[in-house]
Amino acid sequence: EPEVTQTPSHQVTQMGQEVILRCVPISNHLYFYWYRQILGQKVEFLVSFYNNEISEKSEIFDDQFSVERPDGSNFTLKIRSTKLEDSAMYFCASSASLKTSDTQYFGPGTRLTVL
Amino acid sequence: SQKIEQNSEALNIQEGKTATLTCNYTNYSPAYLQWYRQDPGRGPVFLLLIRENEKEKRKERLKVTFDTTLKQSLFHITASQPADSATYLCALDNYGQNFVFGPGTRLSVLP
Repeated sequence: EPEVTQTPSHQVTQMGQEVILRCVPISNHLYFYWYRQILGQKVEFLVSFYNNEISEKSEIFDDQFSVERPDGSNFTLKIRSTKLEDSAMYFCASSASLKTSDTQYFGPGTRLTVL
Repeated sequence: SQKIEQNSEALNIQEGKTATLTCNYTNYSPAYLQWYRQDPGRGPVFLLLIRENEKEKRKERLKVTFDTTLKQSLFHITASQPADSATYLCALDNYGQNFVFGPGTRLSVLP
């Protein structure tokens, strides 16, 4: 069964450094998402992406965040200057359509630790 | 303010019994509601979607109900097994734009 993959599984960085989290969505999906989950808290929507542009973003997704689809398979989340409070699990998801009636398939996540 | 609540943070039941998890929401009008399973350190896995005009949806041992008057969804696992132990998340359609997740209920099925 096709699945969403994410790399790395765990990223440790120093505060103020830039990190790039990578995702390979399911191949025939067109809509991509990033969510984060701070330890012990709920899953929070960050951004949705379609046709090489952001469809929607939450209040969390401020100027330090950016997303990109650099080629036909990868989807990346960049955090420009990491803060301690950015430590969380980051999940990528993809779906065949943007309709909220459509299933989103989540990747295994990247655990980001900011020291 | 908008709020999604899921019953008790943790629920323990005996193997073979039916687990019932609740999801209550305030100040949302979801057209769809989804239930996910999340295992520790893993991403959510989609289980079921129910539409606002559907009262009940079933899939194998799973059953979901959706009462838009009570603003509540119930998620049932019948004949529960230790392998069903996980955190279960409800997620509401947020005006067709994205999903908003509840805090989850951690279910433990005891042998």
